[in-house]
Amino acid sequence: DIQMTQSPSSLSASVGDRVTITCRASQTISPYLNWYQQKPGKAPKVLIFSASSLESGVPSRFSGSGSGTDFTLTISSLQPEDFATYYCQQSYSSPITFGQGTRLEIK
Amino acid sequence: VQLVESGGGLVQPGGSLRLSCAVSGFTVTINDMAWVRQAPGKGLEWVSVIYSGDSTSYADFVKGRFTISRDNSKNTLYLQMNSLSVDDMAVYYCARLNSYGTEYLQHWGQGTLVIVSS
Repeated sequence: DIQMTQSPSSLSASVGDRVTITCRASQTISPYLNWYQQKPGKAPKVLIFSASSLESGVPSRFSGSGSGTDFTLTISSLQPEDFATYYCQQSYSSPITFGQGTRLEIK
Repeated sequence: VQLVESGGGLVQPGGSLRLSCAVSGFTVTINDMAWVRQAPGKGLEWVSVIYSGDSTSYADFVKGRFTISRDNSKNTLYLQMNSLSVDDMAVYYCARLNSYGTEYLQHWGQGTLVIVSS
């Protein structure tokens, strides 16, 4: 199975900050990398698919980049509604696997 | 597009449950569909997928115990869960896979909670 490792596991930031979350795969998976946002008590929501494509309806402050084994999710200017947990996920091979999550908290 | 799970609840270890995911806005049988679970306070864990061609795949930890299926007449996805253990306790989400190009979980239900306890 492909292991997905996110860093950091948690992060404190302020409204307006630029934030980057990193996801590393145990083997090359380009471009089969997706990012999800999950708020407490809610289902996950896709933000970015295919490493860098923005899902319809997702604000443009979210962006994804990377290739090979290393990928990043960037939020250019944090908004109050962005405080949540973020997961990366690979669909390069079965089984689908997720990173452990990055909890983004208000500083 | 809407996905609505049901069927969760309290079950004893060794028991069975069948989860349902009623879908509207698309046809379940011509889409790739998945179940994903999340244990309390933990991360996301893929459980099973059924493809439009009816092939299925399961995570190793449910293989032989869980069965994914769907009903065209009811436009509903199912997950039959047998031999449940405390490790299966989680919120179970159904999701529609967007499989054009790379695969990603595009639409999700709200989840249904499965509690395994004696």
